Amino acid sequence: SYELTQPPSVSVSPGQTAIVTCSGDKLGNKYVSWYQQKPGQSPVLVIYQDNMRPSGIPERFSGSNSGNTATLTISGTQAMDEADYYCQAWDTSTLVFGGGTRLTVL
Amino acid sequence: QLQLQESGPGLVKPSQTLSLSCTVSGVSISRSIYNWGWIRQPPGKGLEWIGTIYYSGSTSYNPSLKSRATMSVDTSKNQLSLTLSSLTASDTAVYYCAGGPKAGAALLRFDSWGQGNLVTVSS
Repeated sequence: SYELTQPPSVSVSPGQTAIVTCSGDKLGNKYVSWYQQKPGQSPVLVIYQDNMRPSGIPERFSGSNSGNTATLTISGTQAMDEADYYCQAWDTSTLVFGGGTRLTVL
Repeated sequence: QLQLQESGPGLVKPSQTLSLSCTVSGVSISRSIYNWGWIRQPPGKGLEWIGTIYYSGSTSYNPSLKSRATMSVDTSKNQLSLTLSSLTASDTAVYYCAGGPKAGAALLRFDSWGQGNLVTVSS
């Protein structure tokens, strides 16, 4: 079965750029979405189709996808961005989520 | 604005069948302009896709659930439903319903989520 691998945790200082990766076999050939989930809340879509931002998502969130790795980039990270982030893609007949990355804003 | 609200039991016994509903507001399900999904999250763990009902009415399920899951739509009530049979403790999770714009599987995404329904499987 297809797997998406994310680092368990990423730390970033306020105002700096946070990079969260998601790896999978030939992932660049698939569309990737990213979700943000804060404690006790439902997930929120922050990026879809690799690099598209839904309405209401700040411009500091961006995405890319090439080769075997998709990347979520948060520029000028703010304290409010501290959350778990999940990547998602479709393979064959299954929608797959990555294991999630906890972003800590120190 | 699309809103979803799950409802169902909080506690179910092992081997029993779970039935959850999701009331959709802001759009009529019968318009067939959205894909609908069920996703679950065990306590302290990540997201797991259960299945999707596409705008066309077709469905797809996570093979790992081994045919225990069944999704359906009740257009008269504007509700989605999920049943999951032969429950074990490993099915303990927050169950979410979610919706995303009409698209094929490769473009599947969920823009709107319910608040989740915690289901504990225990005797």
